[in-house]
Amino acid sequence: SQTIHQWPATLVQPVGSPLSLECTVEGTSNPNLYWYRQAAGRGLQLLFYSVGIGQISSEVPQNLSASRPQDRQFILSSKKLLLSDSGFYLCAWSGVVNDIQYFGAGTRLSVL
Amino acid sequence: DQQVKQNSPSLSVQEGRISILNCDYTNSMFDYFLWYKKYPAEGPTFLISISSIKDKNEDGRFTVFLNKSAKHLSLHIVPSQPGDSAVYFCAASAGSQGNLIFGKGTKLSVKP
Repeated sequence: SQTIHQWPATLVQPVGSPLSLECTVEGTSNPNLYWYRQAAGRGLQLLFYSVGIGQISSEVPQNLSASRPQDRQFILSSKKLLLSDSGFYLCAWSGVVNDIQYFGAGTRLSVL
Repeated sequence: DQQVKQNSPSLSVQEGRISILNCDYTNSMFDYFLWYKKYPAEGPTFLISISSIKDKNEDGRFTVFLNKSAKHLSLHIVPSQPGDSAVYFCAASAGSQGNLIFGKGTKLSVKP
């Protein structure tokens, strides 16, 4: 069966520090991968998605970037965190673009 | 511009009664709709979906109804249980190229 792992579960970082969140999927090949952010009262905002290695689409211009160095690995990064980057970050995967997405457990990021 | 709207931020229901969660959409190209359930500090989990060729889909206590002419769908939970207390997200996609678009969620509280 397919599983998705996301870590760390919580992270407290100072403003201006770098960020690296990792997500890996097991049990499937060539998944579509997604990064979302859930800010308080604002639902799920799609940040990036990837349909293959090295292929990244950005939905929202911002202080973050994403990379997909391997088929089942998706990384969310920032060179310098802002206070506004605080939120709950979710990684997800799907078999095809418009199909059911399966989410990881999320990372609670607090930028202080 | 919100393409998927969940106009009720919260809903409170007595245990054993019916919970009805509503979702409206504006994009007539949406042809696939999903409901997700999310507990605090966890990733959303897929509940039930419906294709635009149907007007009803049922899975145990959960039924989703789709009214294409009104661009409206609803999730019915019968009977409601305290463990159903969570945030419910509606999502929609358009064709094979469309990512999922999520609503802002409705927080359901089921009181014993």
